[in-house]
Amino acid sequence: AQKVTQAQTEISVVEKEDVTLDCVYETRDTTYYLFWYKQPPSGELVFLIRRNSFDEQNEISGRYSWNFQKSTSSFNFTITASQVVDSAVYFCALSEADTGNQFYFGTGTSLTVIP
Amino acid sequence: EPEVTQTPSHQVTQMGQEVILRCVPISNHLYFYWYRQILGQKVEFLVSFYNNEISEKSEIFDDQFSVERPDGSNFTLKIRSTKLEDSAMYFCASSEALGMGQGEKLFFGSGTQLSVL
Repeated sequence: AQKVTQAQTEISVVEKEDVTLDCVYETRDTTYYLFWYKQPPSGELVFLIRRNSFDEQNEISGRYSWNFQKSTSSFNFTITASQVVDSAVYFCALSEADTGNQFYFGTGTSLTVIP
Repeated sequence: EPEVTQTPSHQVTQMGQEVILRCVPISNHLYFYWYRQILGQKVEFLVSFYNNEISEKSEIFDDQFSVERPDGSNFTLKIRSTKLEDSAMYFCASSEALGMGQGEKLFFGSGTQLSVL
């Protein structure tokens, strides 16, 4: 079974639109950590955010915001007023306290922002 | 900002040949990892390494694979006899050592694209 599901394979938006990338996770651990990484066309994986399972407070960082809801096992990522530079593949990942430091990645969502 | 460095960025090899992928983790990090991403697919965990030994490995990391920290700065992944299905982007990562299961964020390198012909 997939531990992290990103149901949206590809999304296209027009510049300045808002876009939300969905992430649903599955774990039996009570202590776990959720991450978002960005993979621009150049290929590297860039850390965006880390959340632990005890902190459900939503976070905003500039145009980025994250909505963590344990009740629905979701950790969604919203980009407000999207820009062309936001075009990338975005990965959600899970790390469980009981399975060490291994990351379980979702399949990624490819976001294209059209100028 | 410190970063993880991987060389080469691209490697082409013939099936059956041995390849060594090289990484220089961030200097004060103590956990090291290899992940791979087959084209268009998700990033998959291969192995983690701490205190000069493997701490975790996935089913993908079979006897064809090995890792080594030959000196104080390099971390290498060796594939003994490459197969076509080993073609992928290989990412090295490192993290500070807060301990196992502490949800440390990983710092990834830019990857080595391995093509097995």
